[in-house]
Amino acid sequence: AQSVSQHNHHVILSEAASLELGCNYSYGGTVNLFWYVQYPGQHLQLLLKYFSGDPLVKGIKGFEAEFIKSKFSFNLRKPSVQWSDTAEYFCAVNAMTGANNLFFGTGTRLTVIP
Amino acid sequence: KAGVTQTPRYLIKTRGQQVTLSCSPISGHRSVSWYQQTPGQGLQFLFEYFSETQRNKGNFPGRFSGRQFSNSRSEMNVSTLELGDSALYLCASSLGQGSLAGQAFFGQGTRLTVV
Repeated sequence: AQSVSQHNHHVILSEAASLELGCNYSYGGTVNLFWYVQYPGQHLQLLLKYFSGDPLVKGIKGFEAEFIKSKFSFNLRKPSVQWSDTAEYFCAVNAMTGANNLFFGTGTRLTVIP
Repeated sequence: KAGVTQTPRYLIKTRGQQVTLSCSPISGHRSVSWYQQTPGQGLQFLFEYFSETQRNKGNFPGRFSGRQFSNSRSEMNVSTLELGDSALYLCASSLGQGSLAGQAFFGQGTRLTVV
């Protein structure tokens, strides 16, 4: 069965600190990878996606993620966080079986202290 | 372009009752997926409908069902409600297929409380 692991449940950072959130998945086939963000009181929004090609992908608001196939990882990074980045971050995997269903990690809550 | 619309936003039901949730996807999107979000289990896939056919189903009991209409709007039904069904139910609309599969746009969700 497919699964997605996010190792950090709650991360607290000061503004301007660098961020890296880990994501590992278990699936032997080809996957599409996503990071979604849920700001307080808002709906889930797509932060960035990887379909193929350059394993380093850039998303909105200065976020980027690197797909390392050999490690089954898709870690999210941001060089300098802002207070407005306070949110919950979800890593998700689509197994490319033809359907659109996503397997989500349990999420990482990020709190940025001004 | 209007986003994904879910109605109602909040619902309170009694154990044993049934409930129907509605989702209108983004115009042109033929794929609608449903997810259950709870603090303990996180986001779990319920089912996906594509062109009025259920294409994929998660690991939920048969009390959870859905359907999709010809205009791509979808409904989800939960019968014989249990306390554990209390959750945020999210609808996701997708255009992507094949190599672009999985990219989804989510609605605000319906918060269901079972008492």
